[in-house]
Amino acid sequence: DAKTTQPPSMDCAEGRAANLPCNHSTISGNEYVYWYRQIHSQGPQYIIHGLKNNETNEMASLIITEDRKSSTLILPHATLRDTAVYYCIVKAGTASKLTFGTGTRLQVTL
Amino acid sequence: GAVVSQHPSWVICKSGTSVKIECRSLDFQATTMFWYRQFPKQSLMLMATSNEGSKATYEQGVEKDKFLINHASLTLSTLTVTSAHPEDSSFYICSARDGLSSGNTIYFGEGSWLTVV
Repeated sequence: DAKTTQPPSMDCAEGRAANLPCNHSTISGNEYVYWYRQIHSQGPQYIIHGLKNNETNEMASLIITEDRKSSTLILPHATLRDTAVYYCIVKAGTASKLTFGTGTRLQVTL
Repeated sequence: GAVVSQHPSWVICKSGTSVKIECRSLDFQATTMFWYRQFPKQSLMLMATSNEGSKATYEQGVEKDKFLINHASLTLSTLTVTSAHPEDSSFYICSARDGLSSGNTIYFGEGSWLTVV
């Protein structure tokens, strides 16, 4: 599976959009981009995933560049409850396991 | 989204005893489940991949005789920590793959805190 690079930490003011970047320059054509987050002392929560097209659900939007070498997770109106470690993971749909890196620690502040 | 449930959420056991943690997929069938361990301020580390009806595949460095995994049905996998020691104290998390979802999405349980005293 392709490796990903994320900034170790980010801050965001409550109510503003949080834009979390992820680089995956070695991504293969059959690999999806998945985003999970882990709030302290809880299991990871699935947020969204995509292959080529931008995706949106009730939690977030995922913007994937045309060359698929990077992506951005957007939380449109961050709240304090969005404070968590966000993991960007690239995995082929047919592959089994998810390998976690160190993620981005997002701190949402008043 | 799909739901994966773990039980118990936390457990305290004495050194030398064994403890079992259950992982259930509540609204989908999971032919594949995964067990992770997480130490404080560290990322999740995959321990093993559990396939329904067959033996689990363990990651390098994980003792299969110490961490027994059983995946007897499409909705249940169990992790048994045998002869537990204080260094086994950790946050154990299971996940399950929904093979019918786009991209074979994997969903995680709430995690189980194990403290060995």
